[in-house]
Amino acid sequence: NAGVMQNPRHLVRRRGQEARLRCSPMKGHSHVYWYRQLPEEGLKFMVYLQKENIIDESGMPKERFSAEFPKEGPSILRIQQVVRGDSAAYFCASSPQGSTGELFFGEGSRLTVL
Amino acid sequence: GESVGLHLPTLSVQEGDNSIINCAYSNSASDYFIWYKQESGKGPQFIIDIRSNMDKRQGQRVTVLLNKTVKHLSLQIAATQPGDSAVYFCAERVAAGNKLTFGGGTRVLVKP
Repeated sequence: NAGVMQNPRHLVRRRGQEARLRCSPMKGHSHVYWYRQLPEEGLKFMVYLQKENIIDESGMPKERFSAEFPKEGPSILRIQQVVRGDSAAYFCASSPQGSTGELFFGEGSRLTVL
Repeated sequence: GESVGLHLPTLSVQEGDNSIINCAYSNSASDYFIWYKQESGKGPQFIIDIRSNMDKRQGQRVTVLLNKTVKHLSLQIAATQPGDSAVYFCAERVAAGNKLTFGGGTRVLVKP
């Protein structure tokens, strides 16, 4: 049973370009969470999605950031017009519906903005 | 707002000794707590969790203690091994929502 799969693992973008990060949850999981981590810091919650629904986006910046989890395919975190401050590791986690337990994390996507 | 407060100190421990990592949380409505281990360049890995109706929970070489009176959580690692070197994060969840709120982490360095 494959774990949470994220790609790309590393992404380099120039300022002003777009970054798209993908996350496939564990098999049977319908809840996806995105977190951002700066070096030497903790994980900051960004958004929580279920299939075709955004449940909690209280951690998402108001501009340039968006997330989706379509009926088919992976969850996408999209960052438009990237700036250097967007450089970070972005982690995706998943859980099954109704779970009150742990979140299962992927290995992360590391975005570097030049 | 809700927060889990944990600076990012470094805990140096001799191989074979016990490690204790502490965490303070601020949201009294939190009902679930969890510890993750993160190795360099990797994603967080589950270590152990505890619900608010418990004070203590034990796993293999790890014990989590929860003191709701002072909103304090700790992770004890027995007989620390080189493979335990990593950053450890505590996280909490408020009953009403499913997201986890993470603390800042503690780096554990195991000296041979």
